[in-house]
Amino acid sequence: KAGVTQTPRYLIKTRGQQVTLSCSPISGHRSVSWYQQTPGQGLQFLFEYFSETQRNKGNFPGRFSGRQFSNSRSEMNVSTLELGDSALYLCASKDRGAIEEKLFFGSGTQLSVL
Amino acid sequence: KQEVTQIPAALSVPEGENLVLNCSFTDSAIYNLQWFRQDPGKGLTSLLLIQSSQREQTSGRLNASLDKSSGRSTLYIAASQPGDSATYLCAASRAAGNKLTFGGGTRVLVKP
Repeated sequence: KAGVTQTPRYLIKTRGQQVTLSCSPISGHRSVSWYQQTPGQGLQFLFEYFSETQRNKGNFPGRFSGRQFSNSRSEMNVSTLELGDSALYLCASKDRGAIEEKLFFGSGTQLSVL
Repeated sequence: KQEVTQIPAALSVPEGENLVLNCSFTDSAIYNLQWFRQDPGKGLTSLLLIQSSQREQTSGRLNASLDKSSGRSTLYIAASQPGDSATYLCAASRAAGNKLTFGGGTRVLVKP
């Protein structure tokens, strides 16, 4: 099985712009979660989508949004970018019905906001 | 609110030495606890997952234990190798389908 695929791998944007990140989960996984990783705050949960519905949400402003499509692929959007949004954005998928619910991560999108 | 702590933040050991990595959590009502490995600039690789009903899990040179009563998990890596150099993160989940709360990680350097 192919792993979790995130595109693009790197992004450079300027303040005020918006950005869309993409994530394709492991085949058969219908749950997709997004995490932000920064040196100062570590890994923080953004949100989780399951069957095209947002199931959990972290403590991030409304500028951070996401969606999931019928094929389980997910996109994350950040509007009005700020310098502090520079981070590694990680997507993870899991089989939500499995007992273990092990999480599988993609390689991430490194976003730099100038 | 669950808080997960990993101390120390970094450690260095000579090749061949056993590694002991610590993870503490404040809320013992966890569903599972996972250990991950992260190489610089890369995503996370799942190493071991311990269900709340389990005491330990083993995979090759890796062994993870869970003590909910004391709020601790420990990852043991036997006979460390330079290839084990990475950041190791633990994460706790409160319930099925719930988010993971991550510790800050322990950066490990294994010197040849």
